[in-house]
Amino acid sequence: DTGVSQNPRHKITKRGQNVTFRCDPISEHNRLYWYRQTLGQGPEFLTYFQNEAQLEKSRLLSDRFSAERPKGSFSTLEIQRTEQGDSAMYLCASSMGTGTSGYTFGSGTRLTVV
Amino acid sequence: GENVEQHPSTLSVQEGDSAVIKCTYSDSASNYFPWYKQELGKGPQLIIDIRSNVGEKKDQRIAVTLNKTAKHFSLHITETQPEDSAVYFCAALLNYGQNFVFGPGTRLSVLP
Repeated sequence: DTGVSQNPRHKITKRGQNVTFRCDPISEHNRLYWYRQTLGQGPEFLTYFQNEAQLEKSRLLSDRFSAERPKGSFSTLEIQRTEQGDSAMYLCASSMGTGTSGYTFGSGTRLTVV
Repeated sequence: GENVEQHPSTLSVQEGDSAVIKCTYSDSASNYFPWYKQELGKGPQLIIDIRSNVGEKKDQRIAVTLNKTAKHFSLHITETQPEDSAVYFCAALLNYGQNFVFGPGTRLSVLP
């Protein structure tokens, strides 16, 4: 297993367009998390899944954001009608259980909205 | 909710010197404190962690200390090397929470 994989690595989109990111977690990890990181800041929690169930969503996750994890494997994060304020690094992480052995993060998808 | 502060925001040290980064947290229910290192263009990587029932943990040149009473924890890097240059994040996990709250990060530069 090569760790957590995220695609694409970079995405430039025009304001108002929809974008979708994909995350493939470590195969034996049952939890998957999405975080957002803006320049010079620490990651901020967006949402997490345990298997296929989305168990928590942050207030940062507006109704333009939707995440899925069909079959409890890979996950997608979609942003509809993108805004310039959505420009950030979107990080995916996975863990086995509650994460008290730490998360394994992917390299992220950097979104630029122009 | 939990709030994590981190100081300093930037830190420059000479190669071979020690570096110390400090974090404070607000919720006494937090019970797990990892430290992550993030290099340019990469995701954060776990380097060391500590649980609330332990006061200190060491792994080669890296150590973490925890003071539960004062609600602060620190990362100590000894004999720094240029490859230690990166952004370091502390984080806290509530015992009933499901996600980490991260500090704002410290950019460490190790000068040769």
